[in-house]
Order: sequence, then C-alpha cells, then structure tokens
Amino acid sequence: DGGITQSPKYLFRKEGQNVTLSCEQNLNHDAMYWYRQDPGQGLRLIYYSQIVNDFQKGDIAEGYSVSREKKESFPLTVTSAQKNPTAFYLCASRGLGLAVDTQYFGPGTRLTVL
Amino acid sequence: AQKVTQAQTEISVVEKEDVTLDCVYETRDTTYYLFWYKQPPSGELVFLIRRNSFDEQNEISGRYSWNFQKSTSSFNFTITASQVVDSAVYFCALSEEGNTGFQKLVFGTGTRLLVSP
Repeated sequence: DGGITQSPKYLFRKEGQNVTLSCEQNLNHDAMYWYRQDPGQGLRLIYYSQIVNDFQKGDIAEGYSVSREKKESFPLTVTSAQKNPTAFYLCASRGLGLAVDTQYFGPGTRLTVL
Repeated sequence: AQKVTQAQTEISVVEKEDVTLDCVYETRDTTYYLFWYKQPPSGELVFLIRRNSFDEQNEISGRYSWNFQKSTSSFNFTITASQVVDSAVYFCALSEEGNTGFQKLVFGTGTRLLVSP
C-alpha cells in the first residue's frame, strides 16, 4: 500500500537526550515536511525538503535537525537544545509538478520528555 | 502575512444534526489554495478537499459540502446529517506557493467537533 509511515508511534525521552523520529514514504513524492502540533494549536513547520540532499528551515527549526539522503526518507532529530520538545510530530509529503498538489500526512509520533 | 482563523474552538451536536465549521483567511496573493483536513483521535491528518482561488463553485461530496466566498474570504465546511464517526478536529489551511515550488501551509487552530448519539 502506498503511504507515509512514521515510527515510533510513542516516544519517551529523558532530558538531555537526542532522539530521532522516522518518516518514510513510498508515494514517490519529492517534497517532505515536518510539522509540530501542540495542544489546541495548529501545525507549525519545522523543516522541509524538496529534493534529496537539500532541506530548508521552517518557522520553528531551532533545536531540530534533519537529513535527506534518500527520496523516501526524511528523519527528524530532536536535540537537547530544543527547550520544550513534548509535542505531536507529523510528517508529510507532496508530489511536485506543474500543478499544485496536496500534502499528505503520516500517522504522527507523540514525543514526551520525562 | 497569511493567516487562517477558525473561531469555533469546539462544537457539540447530536447525531443527524447539520453543522457548519467556519474558516476565514487573509492573504495578499491573488493565487492561493485552501484545504480542509480531518484529524480523528488517532492523530493522522486526513485530506478532505483542496480549492484554488479561481474556483468559487461550491462542492458537495456525500454528506460534506464546502462554500468558498472570496468576497468574505471564507471557506466554510458543512456536514449534513452528522454521525458519531465525524467526531474529530478539523483544520482549515491556506497555502503559500513559493517561486521554487515550495508549498507552505498555514493552518488554523482547528475546530473540535463532537457528535453524540
């Protein structure tokens, strides 16, 4: 089945630890995105990538890092520099072309800092 | 700057009632796109509809309908004969289309819909 997978579904982290969230897609989409969602709020863009080996900061990139070594994969690392990392993280992907396409989302990872 | 406002934080209805979710947007772009997504309790955002700024025709899909009015910068979503399975958080979003093909979505804060039996 085509789609976007994120793992793990739940993640617990001790303060001071880095953690990496996985995002994989088999939709052959060029663009991938990471969003953060806090309770009662909309989604905010952390990082995005339009092609392999290239990525750009979004609105709230501080304390996060990403890589894009393969078209299918866009992992997000939450570093110890992120002051308030407890949140729900959503990955999305989108095809690129002449026409506007739609961002499709994965099931999300809920990160809790203990 | 682009902005999306969903003034209704939470709506509660009884099954079979009709319900309308409001979305008001701000943009200086002449070409833009509007989206609705559904977020059920599982957390995944499910795409419902995309509408471009040049197409003001209303759309109906089963029990769902959308009313796009540029004159009032609104893109409202109506569920007819609501069902318990419609209970979710609904997000309205507006796209910024960059010169490089980058699409940034600006989301509203969402409306939580609770449909009780």
